[in-house]
Amino acid sequence: DAKTTQPNSMESNEEEPVHLPCNHSTISGTDYIHWYRQLPSQGPEYVIHGLTSNVNNRMASLAIAEDRKSSTLILHRATLRDAAVYYCILRETDTGFQKLVFGTGTRLLVSP
Amino acid sequence: EAGVAQSPRYKIIEKRQSVAFWCNPISGHATLYWYQQILGQGPKLLIQFQNNGVVDDSQLPKDRFSAERLKGVDSTLKIQPAKLEDSAVYLCASSQPFQRNTEAFFGQGTRLTVV
Repeated sequence: DAKTTQPNSMESNEEEPVHLPCNHSTISGTDYIHWYRQLPSQGPEYVIHGLTSNVNNRMASLAIAEDRKSSTLILHRATLRDAAVYYCILRETDTGFQKLVFGTGTRLLVSP
Repeated sequence: EAGVAQSPRYKIIEKRQSVAFWCNPISGHATLYWYQQILGQGPKLLIQFQNNGVVDDSQLPKDRFSAERLKGVDSTLKIQPAKLEDSAVYLCASSQPFQRNTEAFFGQGTRLTVV
């Protein structure tokens, strides 16, 4: 499985932007980069995904490096509700079936 | 649309007992995943179904865990007999198949405590 590397934890203040980094130096040309987050006592939820170009949606932005070996999830204005574990995942295909393999993620702490 | 439904939400059993978890995926989703999440860790994939066929069960402890997905819709995960180290949250997820640019949807999970 292709691997991702994320910091164990990050801290932010409310209303400030947050940049969550992810390294994926072994990414293949057809792997999509997905981000999920897990709020306390909840199942993971999808945040955003991309292949090569930067992506924006109502929750966040995803900035992908030109060589695709790293990406950054951007929360433009952190709120207390954004405190969660954020997972960077490479959506890959093995024997024709897509896999969804989680790492340890980054725990985001948001202070008022 | 309705989300992924799991039951029960909580279960406490003694070691060596049996337990079963149920999952109802989003309608039309052919791919179904079962994950085990131990406290403080990321979810670990146990088994993945495509319709009613298993496509990956490489991390399923087959001596005690079993799973089935009859008719390609609902799924059950069973543990028999349970051990203390099986205490975890069991998550079910579903997604459309064959596309790497689609999202997976997760249920709220079943928290299992083995005493």
